[in-house]
Amino acid sequence: KAGVTQTPRYLIKTRGQQVTLSCSPISGHRSVSWYQQTPGQGLQFLFEYFSETQRNKGNFPGRFSGRQFSNSRSEMNVSTLELGDSALYLCASSLVPSGSKETQYFGPGTRLLVL
Amino acid sequence: EDQVTQSPEALRLQEGESSSLNCSYTVSGLRGLFWYRQDPGKGPEFLFTLYSAGEEKEKERLKATLTKKESFLHITAPKPEDSATYLCAVLISSGSARQLTFGSGTQLTVLP
Repeated sequence: KAGVTQTPRYLIKTRGQQVTLSCSPISGHRSVSWYQQTPGQGLQFLFEYFSETQRNKGNFPGRFSGRQFSNSRSEMNVSTLELGDSALYLCASSLVPSGSKETQYFGPGTRLLVL
Repeated sequence: EDQVTQSPEALRLQEGESSSLNCSYTVSGLRGLFWYRQDPGKGPEFLFTLYSAGEEKEKERLKATLTKKESFLHITAPKPEDSATYLCAVLISSGSARQLTFGSGTQLTVLP
């Protein structure tokens, strides 16, 4: 069974640009969460989607947004990039968002560098 | 405020030297505690889920335990390939919303 896949794996952008990252969950998983990982702040929760609906959002500015499609694939978008947005962006999927099947499995991440 | 604290920040062990990593938490609405392993440049790899105090899980040289305020990851006779950053996370729920809150991790180095 294929794991969580994320594309692209690496990305270089300049300040002010916008970027879209993609995540395909494990087959059958319907919940997708996004995290930002930086050396200073560690892993921080961005948002969670289930059945194309955002269920929860972390403490990030509105420049960070996401969506989920009917096939459970998800995208996140960051507009007006800032230098501080340089990070490893991780996607995690789980079967459902609650109950005993809520273990989240992570993808390899997209490393974003903002110059 | 929900907090997850891991200690030590870094740990160097000789091959075969057993030790424990600590994850303490102060949260409300805990739904579970998770341990992950992360290698440099990769996403976290799931290790264990613990749901209630007194629960224990084992996998090869690793054993995770949970109390009401903390969790331990015991590493028995580690090998160099166990070198990685070990992350613990607590799953918190509020109504229908839920999120994983991570500790800052323990960077483990096992020397041959």
